[in-house]
Amino acid sequence: DGGITQSPKYLFRKEGQNVTLSCEQNLNHDAMYWYRQDPGQGLRLIYYSQIVNDFQKGDIAEGYSVSREKKESFPLTVTSAQKNPTAFYLCASSISSYHEQFFGPGTRLTVL
Amino acid sequence: DQQVKQNSPSLSVQEGRISILNCDYTNSMFDYFLWYKKYPAEGPTFLISISSIKDKNEDGRFTVFLNKSAKHLSLHIVPSQPGDSAVYFCAASGGAAGNKLTFGGGTRVLVKP
Repeated sequence: DGGITQSPKYLFRKEGQNVTLSCEQNLNHDAMYWYRQDPGQGLRLIYYSQIVNDFQKGDIAEGYSVSREKKESFPLTVTSAQKNPTAFYLCASSISSYHEQFFGPGTRLTVL
Repeated sequence: DQQVKQNSPSLSVQEGRISILNCDYTNSMFDYFLWYKKYPAEGPTFLISISSIKDKNEDGRFTVFLNKSAKHLSLHIVPSQPGDSAVYFCAASGGAAGNKLTFGGGTRVLVKP
């Protein structure tokens, strides 16, 4: 069954700790994306990758880091430098950056 | 600077009637527009898209209209069903933004039985 998986669905961390959110896809998509959604707001782009071993900053990259060592995987690390990390994080992928994006189920991160 | 705006945060409609969701954009270089539907605590699902070379695209109960001169697009859902109750996001890409999607803030739709 093809799709995008994000784990875990809920994540709690103490302030000052780095945390890595997982995103895996078996759709053979080249492009992958990370978004953040805050209550009552739209999605904001954190990082995106158009191909393996390459990624670019989105609109709100500060305090985040990513890697793209495999086509299927695009993990996001929320570092202690991110001032307001509590949010709903969404991963997406597309055949290429010219096509519609398909989203995973999301991870809700709460920093205590 | 919000380049894509959905000015109605919520919409309530009776089952069977038409739902009309609106979206305005400021970047005249945007050339591809999409609508996504999102349930709480889930990822958005793609609904329908339209290229700037067209002014209408239809898929079943969903129709998207694009008015380039007004920089406005709308999504019509007819007839509305209770399962359509969700948050709807419009998104746009093109121009200097390349193929990155810029999302509006969303419109929450409630379809009453």
